[in-house]
Amino acid sequence: EPEVTQTPSHQVTQMGQEVILRCVPISNHLYFYWYRQILGQKVEFLVSFYNNEISEKSEIFDDQFSVERPDGSNFTLKIRSTKLEDSAMYFCASSLSTRGITEAFFGQGTRLTVV
Amino acid sequence: QQQVKQSPQSLIVQKGGIPIINCAYENTAFDYFPWYQQFPGKGPALLIAIRPDVSEKKEGRFTISFNKSAKQFSLHIMDSQPGDSATYFCAAGTGNQFYFGTGTSLTVIP
Repeated sequence: EPEVTQTPSHQVTQMGQEVILRCVPISNHLYFYWYRQILGQKVEFLVSFYNNEISEKSEIFDDQFSVERPDGSNFTLKIRSTKLEDSAMYFCASSLSTRGITEAFFGQGTRLTVV
Repeated sequence: QQQVKQSPQSLIVQKGGIPIINCAYENTAFDYFPWYQQFPGKGPALLIAIRPDVSEKKEGRFTISFNKSAKQFSLHIMDSQPGDSATYFCAAGTGNQFYFGTGTSLTVIP
């Protein structure tokens, strides 16, 4: 069964450092997403990406965040200068969106710990 | 503004019981309402989803009831099993963006 894969599973970084979280979406999917989940809290939308550009983003997705699809398979989230409050589980998701029907498949997440 | 409100926060039922999780949404433009199941250390997994043109959808032991006029939808788990113990998130959205509820931690006691 196809799945979304994320690497690394856990990353520890010092405050102020840059991190890149990597995702390989399901191969024929067209829409890509990043969500985050602070421990014990709800899943929060960060950004969606389609046709090599951001289609929607939330208030959380400020200038320190960026996304990229550097090649035909990877989808990355970069946090330029990490803060303690960026510590969370980050989930990548992808979907094959047809008119009026959408479903997203999630990866297992990357746990980011900022110290 | 919280786009999706979910209740209860936690739920404990006996095996065979029928837990019900409720969600309410704000935006009438939302046209897709998925439920996700999340086990500890795993990502959310799509469980079942509904569109607003139907009032109920059933897949196996899982049923979504949808009330468009009230802007509410709920998940029912028939004949619940200990393996159903997980956190359940409702979501609502349109196009590319979903808003998730705060999650319900379900425990099914053997």
